[in-house]
Amino acid sequence: KQEVTQIPAALSVPEGENLVLNCSFTDSAIYNLQWFRQDPGKGLTSLLLIQSSQREQTSGRLNASLDKSSGRSTLYIAASQPGDSATYLCAVKAGSYQLTFGKGTKLSVIP
Amino acid sequence: ETGVTQSPTHLIKTRGQQVTLRCSSQSGHNTVSWYQQALGQGPQFIFQYYREEENGRGNFPPRFSGLQFPNYSSELNVNALELDDSALYLCASSIGQGASDTQYFGPGTRLTVL
Repeated sequence: KQEVTQIPAALSVPEGENLVLNCSFTDSAIYNLQWFRQDPGKGLTSLLLIQSSQREQTSGRLNASLDKSSGRSTLYIAASQPGDSATYLCAVKAGSYQLTFGKGTKLSVIP
Repeated sequence: ETGVTQSPTHLIKTRGQQVTLRCSSQSGHNTVSWYQQALGQGPQFIFQYYREEENGRGNFPPRFSGLQFPNYSSELNVNALELDDSALYLCASSIGQGASDTQYFGPGTRLTVL
């Protein structure tokens, strides 16, 4: 059974700092990995999707990497801003195409 | 292009009642998935519908059921509500059920069971 773990559960950083969020998964037979952002009480916004054959994806200040063999992904956020405050969720797609999610990392960026 | 929409936004029910949640897929999408997100947890897969048929189900009891209509909109029905059913219910649509097809999520329905 696929399990996804995200560390840390919560993170507080001053504005302008670069930061890394971690995601690990137990079964490396995945099709892709996706990072989402969730604001309180809201739905999910897709940030980056990495196919299993790819090593990384970039969008603006965000960079996500994937090491399938070790079951790890990182989300790098450069020059953090207060508007980046949200919960970040990592999800993998495998098997019957459902997404398996971690519990998320709650990020607070302090002005 | 219209994104994924869900209704209602919020809902309050009592134990033992039944509830129906609705989802309209993004234009051109024929696959809908439903997820349950309890407070402080990641979303959990309930089931997926592809062209009006259920083609995948997570670890949820039969009192969770669904439908997909010819226009690919979908319903999630929950019978005999329990307190633990209180959660944010998310619907996601995709252009197909392939491994590389991205799922686009709606804003969710917040269900509170008293």
